[in-house]
Amino acid sequence: GEDVEQSLFLSVREGDSSVINCTYTDSSSTYLYWYKQEPGAGLQLLTYIFSNMDMKQDQRLTVLLNKKDKHLSLRIADTQTGDSAIYFCAESLPGGGADGLTFGKGTHLIIQP
Amino acid sequence: DVKVTQSSRYLVKRTGEKVFLECVQDMDHENMFWYRQDPGLGLRLIYFSYDVKMKEKGDIPEGYSVSREKKERFSLILESASTNQTSMYLCASSSQEAGGDEQYFGPGTRLTVT
Repeated sequence: GEDVEQSLFLSVREGDSSVINCTYTDSSSTYLYWYKQEPGAGLQLLTYIFSNMDMKQDQRLTVLLNKKDKHLSLRIADTQTGDSAIYFCAESLPGGGADGLTFGKGTHLIIQP
Repeated sequence: DVKVTQSSRYLVKRTGEKVFLECVQDMDHENMFWYRQDPGLGLRLIYFSYDVKMKEKGDIPEGYSVSREKKERFSLILESASTNQTSMYLCASSSQEAGGDEQYFGPGTRLTVT
């Protein structure tokens, strides 16, 4: 069965880089996603990576995928107070997304001044 | 931009009441989902639907039912609310077109059952 694991908390200083890690178990994943949830809000799609890629960069965000180790990471450069949120890793499996994504439990990113 | 709206941001109901949570999306998406989110448990899928009048059980369907009479609307029903259904409920939708299965979420409904 599929399972997505994340650390529950990450604390970084403002201005440093944040690296949020995720592991998944199903090697047939097609897409892997990072969502951001700010307090009291729904989930916002940040970025995603197709399983045949190993890196994707979008402004301050860098996604790295290691298929061999089934490891996904999200790096946020120059972390700001507005980055404080819960970050969810999610995977979709072959057959399309009609039966939902599998989410990790979320990583709380805490920014220290 | 995709917009997913939920009928209420906050809701307080009593044990035993019938509760309706409504979700509407404006992007003509085929797939719609209901999740609940609890601290330390992440998101858990309750029900999903891939077409009008179609519904499938997710991981935790007990105590819930759903209705999809129109493509844009997906309702979650708590037939007899209980205190263990106090939670944040998130609705999402996605397209069946090729190229990605990303889901778009509504703002959530925080339900308290007393």
